[in-house]
Amino acid sequence: AQKVTQAQTEISVVEKEDVTLDCVYETRDTTYYLFWYKQPPSGELVFLIRRNSFDEQNEISGRYSWNFQKSTSSFNFTITASQVVDSAVYFCALTYNSGGSNYKLTFGKGTLLTVNP
Amino acid sequence: ETGVTQTPRHLVMGMTNKKSLKCEQHLGHNAMYWYKQSAKKPLELMFVYSLEERVENNSVPSRFSPECPNSSHLFLHLHTLQPEDSALYLCASSQWDRGNSPLHFGNGTRLTVT
Repeated sequence: AQKVTQAQTEISVVEKEDVTLDCVYETRDTTYYLFWYKQPPSGELVFLIRRNSFDEQNEISGRYSWNFQKSTSSFNFTITASQVVDSAVYFCALTYNSGGSNYKLTFGKGTLLTVNP
Repeated sequence: ETGVTQTPRHLVMGMTNKKSLKCEQHLGHNAMYWYKQSAKKPLELMFVYSLEERVENNSVPSRFSPECPNSSHLFLHLHTLQPEDSALYLCASSQWDRGNSPLHFGNGTRLTVT
């Protein structure tokens, strides 16, 4: 079964702290894609990053970094020097091939991050 | 205008009303989605349209009726809703035949059923 687990329901940090959001996934497929989305209070889910199963290289984008480890089926997201504007719900998601050219997307339950000034 | 646009942003309706949610995408995608997001619950996929054909219907009650007249527009027709249908309804679009295509979401419609 395809599954995404975000064990942290809520995290609260003080501005400038580093914070890591955990994501663990389950899939039987050898080809799959992992995503992170941000949902600020305005409601729109914003795509942050995509990683395919053959690329375990970690990625850094400004204060954001992602650590993909197939050995532990994890795709963790770290925010360095957090800011109040980072406060949002963050979703991890997994796309897998459900047959032919059909792909299905499974979301985790999300982690609510609150960054306090 | 770019991206995915949803209207209205907020909707309050009684249980006997009929209303429609509208979604429009300007990204050239060939798949569109309706998701429901309730408080304290994970995102629930409701419907998927690929090339204007419904390819997924996740056991959604018939009081929700989707319509996809073309690849850029998606509607969700609502009638005789229940208070538990109050939620944020999110529309999204993507390239259906590319597994690495991320979903692009609209701002959502916050629905309150009284």
